[in-house]
Amino acid sequence: QKEVEQNSGPLSVPEGAIASLNCTYSDRGSQSFFWYRQYSGKSPELIMSIYSNGDKEDGRFTAQLNKASQYVSLLIRDSQPSDSATYLCAARSAGGGNKLTFGTGTQLKVEL
Amino acid sequence: GAGVSQSPSNKVTEKGKDVELRCDPISGHTALYWYRQSLGQGLEFLIYFQGNSAPDKSGLPSDRFSAERTGGSVSTLTIQRTQQEDSAVYLCASSLSQGINQPQHFGDGTRLSIL
Repeated sequence: QKEVEQNSGPLSVPEGAIASLNCTYSDRGSQSFFWYRQYSGKSPELIMSIYSNGDKEDGRFTAQLNKASQYVSLLIRDSQPSDSATYLCAARSAGGGNKLTFGTGTQLKVEL
Repeated sequence: GAGVSQSPSNKVTEKGKDVELRCDPISGHTALYWYRQSLGQGLEFLIYFQGNSAPDKSGLPSDRFSAERTGGSVSTLTIQRTQQEDSAVYLCASSLSQGINQPQHFGDGTRLSIL
């Protein structure tokens, strides 16, 4: 069983819509969570980080964390074609050293 | 430099050869990580450095893999007697410190192909 699970997609949304990306994790000791965007052939780029239950907003991006349900999500408002990429969810636990445990990513396609 | 720098960007070598991959972290970042990403797989942790020490080597797949860091800066990942299953993108990341909330910033990676 993978420790961080994501739907591989592709998730297709029309331009201007809200894209909702979801992630679940199995380690209850996970304390910090990160969303990375990865364009094809490129390295992961940090989009958002979240540590506390609730919502965290940054521009068009909102990260949501529910530790009781072991669930993290990323909302992208007013989706643009340039948002088309693979989105990686990563978790980090105090007992797991400093490594990030990644999901396999969700491919997002924003269509004109 | 402004970001994490990795070299070479691409490496093609024959099975059985040794390869050395280099990572230059963001200036001032004390923590350095190596991951690898295989086709269709998530990023897989290999090793973590804090300064020149490696408190966590748990992700190294076999004793053919080793890494070192000198001067609290540049790190090299060495793969001896390469095998075809070693083909992957090797990514290096650094963070300002080892704090659990510190984000990790990635380099562009080295794409390793074993023939």
